[in-house]
Amino acid sequence: DTEVTQTPKHLVMGMTNKKSLKCEQHMGHRAMYWYKQKAKKPPELMFVYSYEKLSINESVPSRFSPECPNSSLLNLHLHALQPEDSALYLCASSQREGGPTEQYFGPGTRLTVT
Amino acid sequence: GENVEQHPSTLSVQEGDSAVIKCTYSDSASNYFPWYKQELGKRPQLIIDIRSNVGEKKDQRIAVTLNKTAKHFSLHITETQPEDSAVYFCAFPLYQFYFGTGTSLTVIP
Repeated sequence: DTEVTQTPKHLVMGMTNKKSLKCEQHMGHRAMYWYKQKAKKPPELMFVYSYEKLSINESVPSRFSPECPNSSLLNLHLHALQPEDSALYLCASSQREGGPTEQYFGPGTRLTVT
Repeated sequence: GENVEQHPSTLSVQEGDSAVIKCTYSDSASNYFPWYKQELGKRPQLIIDIRSNVGEKKDQRIAVTLNKTAKHFSLHITETQPEDSAVYFCAFPLYQFYFGTGTSLTVIP
């Protein structure tokens, strides 16, 4: 299985809602990533988990809260988002953090904040 | 962080022509250089990569060349087809993945 899955595919939420994005991989990868991507722009790194521990937080606002329950799962909890947070949220995984290793991307969650 | 410059930002070619996209970097520590293709509404997908012990790698109509002295690597697409239309990103993995700014390629039938 060389696939990263993400749910939901689309999400519309109000600024007062709480929602979660989910990501799963069964490739035995030990690094997992959350990216935010605006149209035609490169993915922007948000968080990196390495061996289930938060390794990098790219100064992301606290209204985004990541969680890694186990080596296969990655969640992103959302609360009190702003309209400018509307974007494609991509999850990715790799064998290990950093270095010469391919990143596999999930299909993304298209988030719209109203 | 690492500075990865990618050019051009947009590129339009006639079907059947070639397309070349170039990325330059500043840190010489990496030895892995991947290229990703992202079609509209879809995930970035690895299309080709090269490691620093070779100068060129080819896979059918796409190729990547690497010049470590000049610190740049390029994506070459020959005999372009409309389905090649997409945004292409180079990436530079160091402590994290640094993506180039992207090139929007349009192949005109």
